[in-house]
Amino acid sequence: DAGVTQSPTHLIKTRGQQVTLRCSPKSGHDTVSWYQQALGQGPQFIFQYYEEEERQRGNFPDRFSGHQFPNYSSELNVNALLLGDSALYLCASRRQGRDYGYTFGSGTRLTVV
Amino acid sequence: DAKTTQPTSMDCAEGRAANLPCNHSTISGNEYVYWYRQIHSQGPQYIIHGLKNNETNEMASLIITEDRKSSTLILPHATLRDTAVYYCIVRVAKETSGSRLTFGEGTQLTVNP
Repeated sequence: DAGVTQSPTHLIKTRGQQVTLRCSPKSGHDTVSWYQQALGQGPQFIFQYYEEEERQRGNFPDRFSGHQFPNYSSELNVNALLLGDSALYLCASRRQGRDYGYTFGSGTRLTVV
Repeated sequence: DAKTTQPTSMDCAEGRAANLPCNHSTISGNEYVYWYRQIHSQGPQYIIHGLKNNETNEMASLIITEDRKSSTLILPHATLRDTAVYYCIVRVAKETSGSRLTFGEGTQLTVNP
């Protein structure tokens, strides 16, 4: 049973560009969250999607946006990239109604140069 | 969500028990204690959670003090593969709280041969 799948695994972008990261949740999961993890720090919550709608959002600017598709997969979009956006971006999924045991992917390492 | 305090780093000999402490003195009555770990270059992995009773699963045991102001995660027979950053998270476990997990900086556990 595949867990959470994220693509790509690594990405290099130039400041000012836009990037799209993708996430396929674990089978049976319908809720997807995204986290940003800077080097040496714990993951920071960006937002959560359920039923194709953003349900909760962390303290991130509007440059960060997302989408959830009918098959529960999700995308994270970041516009006008800054050097400070360089980080590991993690996707986590769970089944709505099951509050524990979030499953995380291995992340996408984004480097902005 | 209540704030947690964990030591920055700990060492443990392979085969011995690893006891990771967490202080959460401002925990509320309806908040659970969750533990996740993150092995290098991977996403966080759920370990265990509890409210007030001690809990045990195939990965670890969780001991919560009677006043619930602190807890200890116990890995009974640590192996080299248990080397990771361990995060203690306190949060309300209900749907209205959303799926946000608030990570601190965690404890870097190093298991030595």
